[in-house]
Amino acid sequence: EVQMLESGGGLVQPGGSLRLSCAASGFTFSTYAMTWVRQAPGKGLQWVSAISGSGGTTFYADSVKGRFTISRDNSKNMVYLQMNSLRADDTALYYCAKVGRYGYYFDFWGQGTLVTVSS
Amino acid sequence: EIVLTQSPGTLSLSPGERATLSCRASQSVSSNFLAWYQQKPGQAPRLLIYGASSRATGIPDRFSGSASGTDFTLTISRLEPEDFAVYSCQQYGSLPYTFGQGTKLEIK
Repeated sequence: EVQMLESGGGLVQPGGSLRLSCAASGFTFSTYAMTWVRQAPGKGLQWVSAISGSGGTTFYADSVKGRFTISRDNSKNMVYLQMNSLRADDTALYYCAKVGRYGYYFDFWGQGTLVTVSS
Repeated sequence: EIVLTQSPGTLSLSPGERATLSCRASQSVSSNFLAWYQQKPGQAPRLLIYGASSRATGIPDRFSGSASGTDFTLTISRLEPEDFAVYSCQQYGSLPYTFGQGTKLEIK
């Protein structure tokens, strides 16, 4: 069974940092790209970042470019999202998801970890 | 950036009826790389359709997707009680990947 389990969310002050983790299982991890998608309270889904299976290629939404860094450890089946210079509008539920076989759609999702940026 | 506009914002129907949800792209979506997701309150999104018309594993055949130019449609042929949820489209034909704002399908 494919599963993703996110952790690392919490309350952080504006300008602060947080590192999200995602533990994946149930599939050949290094074969698939992974992604982070967020959802602000009561709002729609917003793609944040993605990383190729090897980790050699990364992509970011303009709103987080230069502040967030995605990475992965294929030996541990883990994906990470390092978030720096956090702002109030980064407040959201952050989902980790597995990228599909035939393109960057997202076929399996975790339950999310909540990030709240507030003073 | 490709903007996806979903309509209607809210759709009120009864079980057994047919639902037609629209997603219009601001420009051409490469290779019709468009996906549909279902999200229920307190749950993560669930992939329904990818490639505009391919059903994801385990998705009932009452769900279907189609494309015509920059217009994409999700059809639910006969609504079951468990189908009432929010539906979002996503394009993955070009970066940045973008989502529509969602259509809420509610029980009439």
